[in-house]
Amino acid sequence: SQTIHQWPATLVQPVGSPLSLECTVEGTSNPNLYWYRQAAGRGLQLLFYSVGIGQISSEVPQNLSASRPQDRQFILSSKKLLLSDSGFYLCARQEINTGELFFGEGSRLTVL
Amino acid sequence: SQQGEEDPQALSIQEGENATMNCSYKTSINNLQWYRQNSGRGLVHLILIRSNEREKHSGRLRVTLDTSKKSSSLLITASRAADTASYFCATALISYKLSFGAGTTVTVRA
Repeated sequence: SQTIHQWPATLVQPVGSPLSLECTVEGTSNPNLYWYRQAAGRGLQLLFYSVGIGQISSEVPQNLSASRPQDRQFILSSKKLLLSDSGFYLCARQEINTGELFFGEGSRLTVL
Repeated sequence: SQQGEEDPQALSIQEGENATMNCSYKTSINNLQWYRQNSGRGLVHLILIRSNEREKHSGRLRVTLDTSKKSSSLLITASRAADTASYFCATALISYKLSFGAGTTVTVRA
């Protein structure tokens, strides 16, 4: 089966601290990978997507960055967190044939 | 910016009743997808309807698509408590970029 792992599941960080959220995918090669953010009670905002190692496209300019060091690893980072970075971060893999997204269980970030 | 917008924002129904929610979008699409999200969890894909399809069924789910009105509806028949969740539509113009609406929160009362 194709599984998406995200960690940490929950994170509380002070303003100005760095961030690293990790997403790994099992069972598939060269997947399209996505990072979405969901604010409380809101829809999903596409942050980054990647079609291959080292290939990152940014959708929204902000103080977050993404990297894809390995085929099945997608990392979301920040050097200095802002209060507005709080939210639920979801990693997803895309099924190439249909375009369907398969999501991980998310990482909930609270910036204080 | 969000491409799809769901309506209503929230829906409360009695178990056994049907739940209908709508999605409107702004530009031409390749396909439209519906997802479910249980509280605090990731999204789960429910159904995909292509732009050349008008209706699709999956179990108790029925999705319609009207490209002339740029709208879609999701019908859940004979609702159950387990259907309590938020439902999102997502549209794709370019297949690798899905744009999500803000969702409809459905509460099924026992």
